[in-house]
Amino acid sequence: DTAVSQTPKYLVTQMGNDKSIKCEQNLGHDTMYWYKQDSKKFLKIMFSYNNKELIINETVPNRFSPKSPDKAHLNLHINSLELGDSAVYFCASSQVGQNQPQHFGDGTRLSIL
Amino acid sequence: RKEVEQDPGPFNVPEGATVAFNCTYSNSASQSFFWYRQDCRKEPKLLMSVYSSGNEDGRFTAQLNRASQYISLLIRDSKLSDSATYLCVVQPGNTPLVFGKGTRLSVIA
Repeated sequence: DTAVSQTPKYLVTQMGNDKSIKCEQNLGHDTMYWYKQDSKKFLKIMFSYNNKELIINETVPNRFSPKSPDKAHLNLHINSLELGDSAVYFCASSQVGQNQPQHFGDGTRLSIL
Repeated sequence: RKEVEQDPGPFNVPEGATVAFNCTYSNSASQSFFWYRQDCRKEPKLLMSVYSSGNEDGRFTAQLNRASQYISLLIRDSKLSDSATYLCVVQPGNTPLVFGKGTRLSVIA
């Protein structure tokens, strides 16, 4: 019955590799997001998609490419991984509009060796 | 000035104590406000929305002061299980949520 699920939960890989993280929500929400939480615990928005369309793209390197095959899925592909990419990546979803809280997946812990 | 500012803490309080956190935000056009809770190595979870008139949910009371652009969270009768990081969250218009860095609370037996 998980509302927002992301896989994998842990990802350990070497610098230079390409990896993907998947996210799915069964809440019927129109909007999905990717956040990065670094070692200082600061949670920062990376991307926002509304009904499969990119709405927000913060200053994220173009090695990061989100893909939304349908409004229930938002995957994140990362090329040429760097040490600084090590962080926890959270997927979230919400209804569009004001006063709509976001529901988070339980995170993907990415460690670059 | 940061968009959402919080005292990082930690706040170390005994069980049963009352503790209050404050948060300030810079964007006066902000319309929606929330408190989230994040446990260690877990995802953020919605604790409560914050309404203009103030609102209460059990032991938790949230207040909003639009003129001063600050939000507060009061926790009464603290429990050990309240230990977590509390994130102040603001939404300027129809844009994604902006998170503060959080205030860490440790409730001690």
